Amino acid sequence: QKEVEQDPGPLSVPEGAIVSLNCTYSNSAFQYFMWYRQYSRKGPELLMYTYSSGNKEDGRFTAQVDKSSKYISLFIRDSQPSDSATYLCAMTLNNAGNMLTFGGGTRLMVKP
Amino acid sequence: KAGVTQTPRYLIKTRGQQVTLSCSPISGHRSVSWYQQTPGQGLQFLFEYFSETQRNKGNFPGRFSGRQFSNSRSEMNVSTLELGDSALYLCASSLPGREQYFGPGTRLTVT
Repeated sequence: QKEVEQDPGPLSVPEGAIVSLNCTYSNSAFQYFMWYRQYSRKGPELLMYTYSSGNKEDGRFTAQVDKSSKYISLFIRDSQPSDSATYLCAMTLNNAGNMLTFGGGTRLMVKP
Repeated sequence: KAGVTQTPRYLIKTRGQQVTLSCSPISGHRSVSWYQQTPGQGLQFLFEYFSETQRNKGNFPGRFSGRQFSNSRSEMNVSTLELGDSALYLCASSLPGREQYFGPGTRLTVT
């Protein structure tokens, strides 16, 4: 079993829908949580960066971390066709430097 | 501010050869990390360098190595290439303990 699990999708939604992307993890020592967006043949682009439990909002994006359940989420409001990409969750320990552990990614398709 | 740059962007090598990939971090970033991305294994951590010292290493064989220069630029080397080394190699840079920003990657194909 992988340390970070993520439904690979694809997840297909109509334009304007609210999208919910999720990851579960097994290592309770993870403290920092990130969401990256990766377009085909590009490098991952950082969307959200959160520390420990709680919510963080940035424009149409909201990241949630529930450490008690070892579960993180990314919500995308008013989804657009340009949001079509693979979304990767990543996390790291408090003192592990920059060693990120990634989920496998969820492919999202937003249809006009 | 310019982003992370990686060269070359595409590379084709033959089994048994070696390859060197280069990464220039965002100006002011002294931490550089390398990752391998494949369809089967996803994104996996290779190693991290900070101030010319390797700080962390992932679970990869010794054929994979790296180094960092005094200007924070980094290189990674893969010796005795195998077919399974075909992947997108990603470099990321950051300030100490902060979020990582990725470059566009180098796509390596081993034939």
